[in-house]
Amino acid sequence: GAVVSQHPSRVICKSGTSVKIECRSLDFQATTMFWYRQFPKQSLMLMATSNEGSKATYEQGVEKDKFLINHASLTLSTLTVTSAHPEDSSFYICSARDAVAGANVLTFGAGSRLTVL
Amino acid sequence: GQQLNQSPQSMFIQEGEDVSMNCTSSSIFNTWLWYKQDPGEGPVLLIALYKAGELTSNGRLTAQFGTTRKDSFLNISASIPSDVGIYFCAGPLPGAGNNRKLIWGLGTSLAVNP
Repeated sequence: GAVVSQHPSRVICKSGTSVKIECRSLDFQATTMFWYRQFPKQSLMLMATSNEGSKATYEQGVEKDKFLINHASLTLSTLTVTSAHPEDSSFYICSARDAVAGANVLTFGAGSRLTVL
Repeated sequence: GQQLNQSPQSMFIQEGEDVSMNCTSSSIFNTWLWYKQDPGEGPVLLIALYKAGELTSNGRLTAQFGTTRKDSFLNISASIPSDVGIYFCAGPLPGAGNNRKLIWGLGTSLAVNP
């Protein structure tokens, strides 16, 4: 089945630094990937839709200059949290749609736990 | 943002018991998805439903696509400790095109007492 690899799984950084999270589709091509953020004991909140070869589409209230998304190939999307602050600490999860699995079925990465000190 | 109404919010049951949870929407959905999320992991797809009235099983899990297309149910039979986790329902936002975003329920947290 479709596999999405996300790296790193955990990262701790100092306030003011930038952190990059990678999301790869291992055995399928993904023209679209989705980045979610999840707070403890809450549901998934869509941050942005990453489109291969074009600009990402951000959800209302998500700062595009804060959360930079690059989708340079059909198997890789990256999320960079710029000038991170403690309030950016969260669980970030990427997902991709595998056409074989179904038009609306998303396969998720294992998530990245970001802690900003 | 828009969310699905999922209930119950949490359940604490004894091993071996059956579990039922449901998800409702004010809008008609053409697809219902059920995911499970283990602590510190990403969600994993359990069952996908595509037709009103459809009843689909995956091992001890059974999910149904409501006939009104505004609800879905997930049942777990003979629960075991590894069923612990958060279960989410999700469906594609109606009318948003081919790359339709998913709307999510708030999740049902399941705890199983061995």
